[in-house]
Order: sequence, then C-alpha cells, then structure tokens
Amino acid sequence: GDSVTQMEGPVTLSEEAFLTINCTYTATGYPSLFWYVQYPGEGLQLLLKATKADDKGSNKGFEATYRKETTSFHLEKGSVQVSDSAVYFCALSSSGGSYIPTFGRGTSLIVHP
Amino acid sequence: EAGVTQFPSHSVIEKGQTVTLRCDPISGHDNLYWYRRVMGKEIKFLLHFVKESKQDESGMPNNRFLAERTGGTYSTLKVQPAELEDSGVYFCASSRDRGKETQYFGPGTRLLVL
Repeated sequence: GDSVTQMEGPVTLSEEAFLTINCTYTATGYPSLFWYVQYPGEGLQLLLKATKADDKGSNKGFEATYRKETTSFHLEKGSVQVSDSAVYFCALSSSGGSYIPTFGRGTSLIVHP
Repeated sequence: EAGVTQFPSHSVIEKGQTVTLRCDPISGHDNLYWYRRVMGKEIKFLLHFVKESKQDESGMPNNRFLAERTGGTYSTLKVQPAELEDSGVYFCASSRDRGKETQYFGPGTRLLVL
C-alpha cells in the first residue's frame, strides 16, 4: 500500500538557517504530493502541493519538487524564522483512489532566535 | 468564514470510560473526515461522511468507535469503552466537494486514556 517516510525530528535550527526536511514515498500510479504544517494550538494547514512529476510547489518561502525518479518530495526553505516552528507532515493521495491523504509521521521544527 | 472547530481541545479519562468528541465543519461543507494520530506516528484516516451518510469507514479501528453526523452538520465520535491505545490526537477535516479539493483541518482533540 501507499506509504510516506519522513525524517525524524525534532529538527533544531537557528534563525536564518537553511532547512531541509526529507520525504520519500511509495505509491502506485501517479500520486499528488503535499506538505501540511501544524502550528502550535492550530489545525493542519496545507502548505504546498505538487500534482505531477517535476512540479514545484511553493508557499511562504517553502519549496518542494516532485521527483518521480527518486520518489521524493523534500521540503526546503532558504532562511527559517522563529515563526516557522511547527510540525510538518508530508502526505500523498493516490490518483485513482478516494483522495484520502496518506501521511508521514511528522517532523517537528524548532527555530531558535 | 469560521474554520473547523473541535471540542473538547483536551480530554483525560480512565480506561473503561466513555468519551465523545465533537467536530463542527465549515458551513456548507458536505464532506467531513475523522483522522487520528497516535503519539509520534502517522495521521491515520478513520472515516468520511458525505452529508449524514458514512461514505467510507474503513479506517475505524473497532466497534468501540461510533461516529455520527446528525442532519449532515456537526459530527460526533464516541469511544466506548476507552482503552489505553485510544490515546492520541483526533483531527476532523471538512471539504465542500470530494476529490482533489483541499481538506480544512481542525485543531484536534488530544485524548489521554489512563
């Protein structure tokens, strides 16, 4: 079945550091890929998505590129801020399925001033 | 527009007790979903309502879990009797249509069973 593997956290960075959170997936067909973010005390929010190979999703300075050859969708940001501290979830939804997302375990990001 | 709300935000109960979680979706959203995240693990799908009907309940772990959506508005998820392994965060989400439309998530209910 479908699965998503993302790096374990917590990831601890200083403000303005470069961020990478790795995500790889296993799925049949051509899934859509997502990054969700959960800020403290809030619900999950869709951060960005990509629906086909080589697409790049971007939002709020975050980027992720759909790499079919490596089945990856790594999240990157060039300069993190304290306000980026949150839990980040990688997810996919299969093209032929019910569009219920399959999530990874989440990666906690802590950014220090 | 108000977002998805969930109540309570936290619940601590003893094994064997009953707990009812509530979710109010965004107004006009026919699709309502329940998910659960056990500590440190993936967020897992539990079930999907379309209006008041259960469209997919393949993720419900066992018959101790009962979900309802009376009148196609808010939904409740009852756990009776609760077991230790039911502890986790229960998320609700809603969307206007099915398919690739974004689901809007609530903040979750943190359930701890002692």
